[in-house]
Parts: sequence; structure tokens; C-alpha cells
Amino acid sequence: NAGVTQTPKFRVLKTGQSMTLLCAQDMNHEYMYWYRQDPGMGLRLIHYSVGEGTTAKGEVPDGYNVSRLKKQNFLLGLESAAPSQTSVYFCASSVTAAKNIQYFGAGTRLSVL
Amino acid sequence: AQSVTQPDIHITVSEGASLELRCNYSYGATPYLFWYVQSPGQGLQLLLKYFSGDTLVQGIKGFEAEFKRSQSSFNLRKPSVHWSDAAEYFCALFTGGGNKLTFGTGTQLKVEL
Repeated sequence: NAGVTQTPKFRVLKTGQSMTLLCAQDMNHEYMYWYRQDPGMGLRLIHYSVGEGTTAKGEVPDGYNVSRLKKQNFLLGLESAAPSQTSVYFCASSVTAAKNIQYFGAGTRLSVL
Repeated sequence: AQSVTQPDIHITVSEGASLELRCNYSYGATPYLFWYVQSPGQGLQLLLKYFSGDTLVQGIKGFEAEFKRSQSSFNLRKPSVHWSDAAEYFCALFTGGGNKLTFGTGTQLKVEL
């Protein structure tokens, strides 16, 4: 059982480049989330989805877009990367929001030069 | 607004010693509280959770936490620390609004042999 899988694991971008991070879960979870982790700031929610075809903004959504075309996949896009987006990105999923036990992927380390 | 505070950024303990990591939360109603652990280069793994009922909850790897409503705290404890417990620990709060977890900034645990 793979759980939550994130690809790629590492990526280096130049300012202005675009990229997409992929999150896949095989637990049939309805809810999926994208977080960023920065030193001394814990994890902050970027966007989340409560089901296939739905997305919503989290705490720090600016500069990111997301899509949930299939229940098992949640994509995070950076249209024009900026150095401030250098971070470690985590995807998570949960069955529902109630009693919200989230399961996390291993993360994607992104550097924007 | 809800918040989670982990007052200790770094803690160092000797192997075999007891451990207590502090977590304080701010929320007006009964919270759902979690402790996650993050090993280097890994995603977050759930250690334990509190939803209601018994205020002392047991988790994996020999960890436990006690919910104290009067102190707005949810401290994590372990009687005897092992070198493999060295990691970063995050306390998190779910309140239902916005379908998100609010994370503390984390406590980095170092274990001296």
C-alpha cells in the first residue's frame, strides 16, 4: 500500500519557470491538501480539495494553482516560480474533514534560483 | 483565530531520559489535537490524536499525550527516549473551520548517546 506519493522528490527551477507537482493517493480519500514547510513556520496550507473536481484556497494560495481532475490525484502548479516559493511541499489526504486524520507524502524539495 | 504554540524550538535529551514536549493551543471550543513526527527527509507521521473522552491518549512508539483543558495544553511525553526518536515533532489543531489543520512551528529533538 503506497499511501500518498509525491513526484518529483527534488526540483530546481529558475525564476519565471513553471512546473507541476503531482500527488497521488491510493486510499480512496475524499480530501487532499497541499502544504508548504518553511523553517520556523511549521506547515501552512496552500490549497485543498474536498472531492473530485473541487478546490479551495488555504492560508497561502498566492502564486499557486491546483486541480483535482481525478479523485486520486491532486496537482499543484507554479505558473511563474519565484525565489519566495523555495520550500518543501507536502501533500496530504484524509477520508473526511471531521476528525481530520491526514496522511502525508514524503515531500518535494523545490529550489527557485 | 485558532493557533498552536510550541515554545521549544530545540530540545536535547540523553538516551534513556524522559521527554516532554510542550504544546499550547488557542481555540474557544473543544479541539481535535494531534502530534505528528517528521524524521529527516520524510513526511509527517501521526503519533497520536485526541478527539474526546479520556484526556490521556496513547500513541505509537511509546508516546503519550495529556489534554488539559484548563491549561489549553496537549503535551507529548515519553518515559525513556531512544536514539531513533530524534526528529521534529509537530503539534496540530483541527477546529472544523476551513477544513484545515493548524500546525505549530515544531520542536526539533536531539538525542545524545
